[in-house]
Amino acid sequence: DTGVSQNPRHKITKRGQNVTFRCDPISEHNRLYWYRQTLGQGPEFLTYFQNEAQLEKSRLLSDRFSAERPKGSFSTLEIQRTEQGDSAMYLCASSPSETLNTGELFFGEGSRLTVL
Amino acid sequence: RKEVEQDPGPFNVPEGATVAFNCTYSNSASQSFFWYRQDCRKEPKLLMSVYSSGNEDGRFTAQLNRASQYISLLIRDSKLSDSATYLCVVNDNYGQNFVFGPGTRLSVLP
Repeated sequence: DTGVSQNPRHKITKRGQNVTFRCDPISEHNRLYWYRQTLGQGPEFLTYFQNEAQLEKSRLLSDRFSAERPKGSFSTLEIQRTEQGDSAMYLCASSPSETLNTGELFFGEGSRLTVL
Repeated sequence: RKEVEQDPGPFNVPEGATVAFNCTYSNSASQSFFWYRQDCRKEPKLLMSVYSSGNEDGRFTAQLNRASQYISLLIRDSKLSDSATYLCVVNDNYGQNFVFGPGTRLSVLP
């Protein structure tokens, strides 16, 4: 399967714990995006990478969130000291640079986080 | 005000009906526009781009009004398989980011 892969698919944690999600993009895609989606809402932008460089981070993102993309391949999203409000589906998407014109982001199936 | 706003929905229509979704965006510098479709408990997928002159893809027609900062999606002869949430997406911040609207849910009924 050459699509975008995310894991774990589901994570249940207690408030205050740290969690990390991993995203493996489509191999030839140099752009990688993280979004968060809650029930009844559209995906909310968190951050994106061009290769290994993190080019933009949402101002809504607190300091508890950090993302990396070492070597421009897979990416990780870490949430420290989780809060109940962090409960959501975390979506990763990848794209080639041409997506700026085509608009096509390829999403993974997401990682669902539940904070108790 | 949110960057991208859509009809709240849900829309419940019979098979064969024509349905239209509206979307407005706040940033006049936005460069490009798209409609995505998201099935229940699935990831979003690109449905179609929206061009300034309007464009059609089978039963789907998208239109853009830059002056009014308004985008629309028209679905003709709706099918049961069209049931999904339709997300309006705007490419913003000098084309670097994709901003999604909240989505409008469509249910096509037999």
